[in-house]
Amino acid sequence: KQEVTQIPAALSVPEGENLVLNCSFTDSAIYNLQWFRQDPGKGLTSLLLIQSSQREQTSGRLNASLDKSSGRSTLYIAASQPGDSATYLCAVSGHKIIFGKGTRLHILP
Amino acid sequence: NAGVTQTPKFRVLKTGQSMTLLCAQDMNHEYMYWYRQDPGMGLRLIHYSVGEGTTAKGEVPDGYNVSRLKKQNFLLGLESAAPSQTSVYFCASIGPGGSYNEQFFGPGTRLTVL
Repeated sequence: KQEVTQIPAALSVPEGENLVLNCSFTDSAIYNLQWFRQDPGKGLTSLLLIQSSQREQTSGRLNASLDKSSGRSTLYIAASQPGDSATYLCAVSGHKIIFGKGTRLHILP
Repeated sequence: NAGVTQTPKFRVLKTGQSMTLLCAQDMNHEYMYWYRQDPGMGLRLIHYSVGEGTTAKGEVPDGYNVSRLKKQNFLLGLESAAPSQTSVYFCASIGPGGSYNEQFFGPGTRLTVL
């Protein structure tokens, strides 16, 4: 059974710092991994999708990596800004789509 | 394109009442999903559909029914609401290829059952 874990559950970082969010999964037989952002009271916004054959994807200040063999993905945010404050979720797609519980990120001005 | 839309945005029900949540997508997607999101539990799949006229159970289907009469719409019904169904409900869709592709979410419906 696929399990997806995101640690830490919450993170506070001063503005301007680079940071890494982690996502781990137990079954490496996946099609892809997707990172989402969720603002309070809002829906999920897709940030990056990494196919199982890819190692990383980049969009602006965001870079997501995937290491299937170790069951890990990271979301790297460069030069963090207060507007980056949100909950970040990862979802692993295989036979089913399984979500982590998210990391609540707070960027301190 | 509006993407994925959900109606209503908020609703308060009394125990035992019924209601239907509507999800609509204008991306011609085959796959549609209903999730609920609860504090500490994350997102859990209620029901899903892989095409018009098809539905299937997810992780937490009890107390819910769904219908996919039109490709663009996916309805979630609560026949007799219970306080345990107080939650935020999200609809999502994926294009051809299902789980191989990007999932798009609606803005959510916040339901309170008293």
